[in-house]
Amino acid sequence: GDSVTQTEGQVALSEEDFLTIHCNYSASGYPALFWYVQYPGEGPQFLFRASRDKEKGSSRGFEATYDKGTTSFHLRKASVQESDSAVYYCALGDPGGNYKPTFGKGTSLVVHP
Amino acid sequence: GALVYQYPRRTICKSGTSMRMECQAVGFQATSVAWYRQSPQKTFELIALSTVNSAIKYEQNFTQEKFPISHPNLSFSSMTVLNAYLEDRGLYLCGAREGLNTGQLYFGEGSKLTVL
Repeated sequence: GDSVTQTEGQVALSEEDFLTIHCNYSASGYPALFWYVQYPGEGPQFLFRASRDKEKGSSRGFEATYDKGTTSFHLRKASVQESDSAVYYCALGDPGGNYKPTFGKGTSLVVHP
Repeated sequence: GALVYQYPRRTICKSGTSMRMECQAVGFQATSVAWYRQSPQKTFELIALSTVNSAIKYEQNFTQEKFPISHPNLSFSSMTVLNAYLEDRGLYLCGAREGLNTGQLYFGEGSKLTVL
């Protein structure tokens, strides 16, 4: 079945550091890829999506590029802030096919002031 | 904007009793609703995917007999945890999908189940 792998379980950074969270996927079709963010005590929030190869999604300074060749959708941010501390989830789903939204295990980001 | 409300936010129930949770989509039509359970370690387990006018698809290890779901219209879904035991503890999240051409989900804040 489809799956999403997030390499980092936890990431600790200082403010203004560069962030990369790695996401790789495995899917039989051509899924759309997503990033979600979950703050403590809240449900996950949709961050952005990309639907085709080489498409870049972005929101709130975060971005990721759909790479079909490496089956990746890595999340990056040039300069993190303490308020970015949250759990980030990479996910996939094929809206045009057998739709089954699948999430990675999440990466907990802690940004120190 | 698209909002999803879940209630109750938290429930404490005795072992062997049942808990019903509700999910309301506001500002959009929820053509599909995905019910997840989030563990204390923050991982997601997909319980079932409910699409209006289609059969509800349950994932392996989750059954309709244990987690019956109702999705009567485009703004409301409910799920019950029957005969809850310790292993059913967790945060139950409802993710609603708008339309059929998009894949992103809008989530509620979850219903936390504690079983004594």
